[in-house]
Amino acid sequence: DAGVTQSPTHLIKTRGQQVTLRCSPKSGHDTVSWYQQALGQGPQFIFQYYEEEERQRGNFPDRFSGHQFPNYSSELNVNALLLGDSALYLCASRALLSGTHYEQYFGPGTRLTVT
Amino acid sequence: AQTVTQSQPEMSVQEAETVTLSCTYDTSESDYYLFWYKQPPSRQMILVIRQEAYKQQNATENRFSVNFQKAAKSFSLKISDSQLGDAAMYFCAYRGYNTDKLIFGTGTRLQVFP
Repeated sequence: DAGVTQSPTHLIKTRGQQVTLRCSPKSGHDTVSWYQQALGQGPQFIFQYYEEEERQRGNFPDRFSGHQFPNYSSELNVNALLLGDSALYLCASRALLSGTHYEQYFGPGTRLTVT
Repeated sequence: AQTVTQSQPEMSVQEAETVTLSCTYDTSESDYYLFWYKQPPSRQMILVIRQEAYKQQNATENRFSVNFQKAAKSFSLKISDSQLGDAAMYFCAYRGYNTDKLIFGTGTRLQVFP
């Protein structure tokens, strides 16, 4: 059973460019959340997708957008990249077990460097 | 707004000994979940242990246990019989009852010496 996968593993972009990161959730999971983890910090919630819609959003500008596909995979898009966008981007997926009892599984992350 | 604070940037322990990592949080909610995650150099965030706020009994998972003090808003992690493979960043995290959003602390780097 494959866990959460993310691609690419690493990438380097130039300030002002646009980037797309991809996430495939764990089998049977239908909800995907994205987090940004700056160096030396804990992850910060960007947004969550369920049923192909953004359901919840953290304190991130509109330059950060996303999409969820019918197969539950998801993309994170960042426009007009800034040096401060350099971080590890984590994807987490989950399946509802019962009520509000569920576990989120994280992927290995994509390391984005903006130069 | 909820916050999570980890005041120990680094901790170290001898193999086979016990170590406790501290975490405090702030919330006005009465129902919530608390977690400890481990992040090794491979970067994958791994769930270590979970505590439901409505449960008075402290959670335990093999060598890992928590001391949950709801009134004090404290949630510490105890690792017994420490192993070299326990070396990693440990993050304390909070999740409200009706949300997927995890709020993380800044982490504690645990070193394990043979």
